[in-house]
Amino acid sequence: EVQLVESGGDLIQPGGSLRLSCAASGFSVTNDYMSWVRQAPGKGLQWVSVIYSGAKTLYVDSVKGRFTISRDRSKNTLYLQMNSLRPEDTAVYYCARGQARCGGDCNPLNDWGQGTLVTVSS
Amino acid sequence: DIQLTQSPSFLSASVGDRVTITCRASQGISNYLAWYQQKPGKAPKLLIYAASTLQSGVPSRFSGSGSGTEFTLTISSLQPEDFATYYCQHINSYTIFTFGPGTKVDIK
Repeated sequence: EVQLVESGGDLIQPGGSLRLSCAASGFSVTNDYMSWVRQAPGKGLQWVSVIYSGAKTLYVDSVKGRFTISRDRSKNTLYLQMNSLRPEDTAVYYCARGQARCGGDCNPLNDWGQGTLVTVSS
Repeated sequence: DIQLTQSPSFLSASVGDRVTITCRASQGISNYLAWYQQKPGKAPKLLIYAASTLQSGVPSRFSGSGSGTEFTLTISSLQPEDFATYYCQHINSYTIFTFGPGTKVDIK
C-alpha cells in the first residue's frame, strides 16, 4: 500500500528557513516523479515543485531560487528545503506521487499525503 | 506558462442532478489534463487523467471529455459524497503543472 507522511511544518518568522519531509512507503521515491503542492488557508491548490526519476526538477516562479526539492533513496524520503520564507508561503504543503501516463507524456498525481502546515508570521 | 480557468466557480445542486464543470486552457494542451476532488480538511483525490481516463476505483458517474483548450468534468447523477471542490490541472510532463482555481459544488 502506498503511503506518504509529511512532517516538518511549523510557525516560522519571515526570512527564516524550514525543511519539510515526506516519508514514503510502498514504492520508491526515486522510481516515480514526486511533487509538492500547497494550499493557502481558504484558497485553491498551487503546484510548487516536481522532481523526476532522472533528477530533473521544476519550480513555480514564486519559489524559484528559494525552495529546493530533493530526495534520499536510503530513507525513501522526499524533502522541500524552504529558505527566505515569506508570509505568502503560509499554506498546507502536500507531497504527492505521480506516475507516467499518456505514453509517458503526462504525469497525474495519483497519491497524496495528509499535508503539513507552514505558517510564516512574526 | 499555461493558465487554467474553471466555470462556474460555485454551483449549487441537488442529489441526482447532472453536473458539468468546464476548464479552459490559455493555449492548447492536447489531452494533458487531470481532474481532482477535494473535501474539506482532506488531500485531493485524482478522478480523471488524460482528459477522459477514469482513475482506478473512481465511480463511473464521473466522466471527462475535451481536448486542446476546453475540457469538461461531468457527474451524471450527483451523490451526497460528491459535494466537494473540483480542480483541473495541466499535467504535461516536464512543464509547470498549473491547477485551475477550483469549482465548489454545494448542496441546494
